[in-house]
Amino acid sequence: ETGVTQSPTHLIKTRGQQVTLRCSSQSGHNTVSWYQQALGQGPQFIFQYYREEENGRGNFPPRFSGLQFPNYSSELNVNALELDDSALYLCASSRLFPPGTDARHTFGSGTRLTVV
Amino acid sequence: SQQGEEDPQALSIQEGENATMNCSYKTSINNLQWYRQNSGRGLVHLILIRSNEREKHSGRLRVTLDTSKKSSSLLITASRAADTASYFCATDAADYKLSFGAGTTVTVRA
Repeated sequence: ETGVTQSPTHLIKTRGQQVTLRCSSQSGHNTVSWYQQALGQGPQFIFQYYREEENGRGNFPPRFSGLQFPNYSSELNVNALELDDSALYLCASSRLFPPGTDARHTFGSGTRLTVV
Repeated sequence: SQQGEEDPQALSIQEGENATMNCSYKTSINNLQWYRQNSGRGLVHLILIRSNEREKHSGRLRVTLDTSKKSSSLLITASRAADTASYFCATDAADYKLSFGAGTTVTVRA
């Protein structure tokens, strides 16, 4: 059983640039979620994907977008980067559907994004 | 905004002692989960307790849930240096998104 892998591990971008983060889900999982974790804080839900469609979104602006592919891998895209976007971005896969199947999430090691 | 709040924010104990941390939340839940995070990397799932359960055990971990008080506690018995980490509670409701607290940082001294 493979876990969740994220790439890259670290990234430095300039304000105004765009970034794409990637995630491979754990085998057998059908849902992927993305979280943003600022330093010293708990993770904040960005959005969730199921069957390649967005299935819930947190309080993040439209410049945060995502994709889920048929093999359940996923991308998080952030446009027009701001300094406050500097954070650890965590991808989590799960088998949330059908409802009640399993609410546990398997997290990747994260991508540390620094915006300068 | 975060659903849960952990208490205390930080905890320092001697190896072999027990560590207890608490979590309070605001709205109705389906499940409450505890995760561990080492050195700002990925979160590791520790234990899940459903809203209709009151207590659950897994190895050295014991979790309680009081839905009337909207609170949970995590007890780690006979702590080890490897238990040094940040611990987060996370709640989920019908939409299954996780709402985390700010975490408790636990340091186990040798």
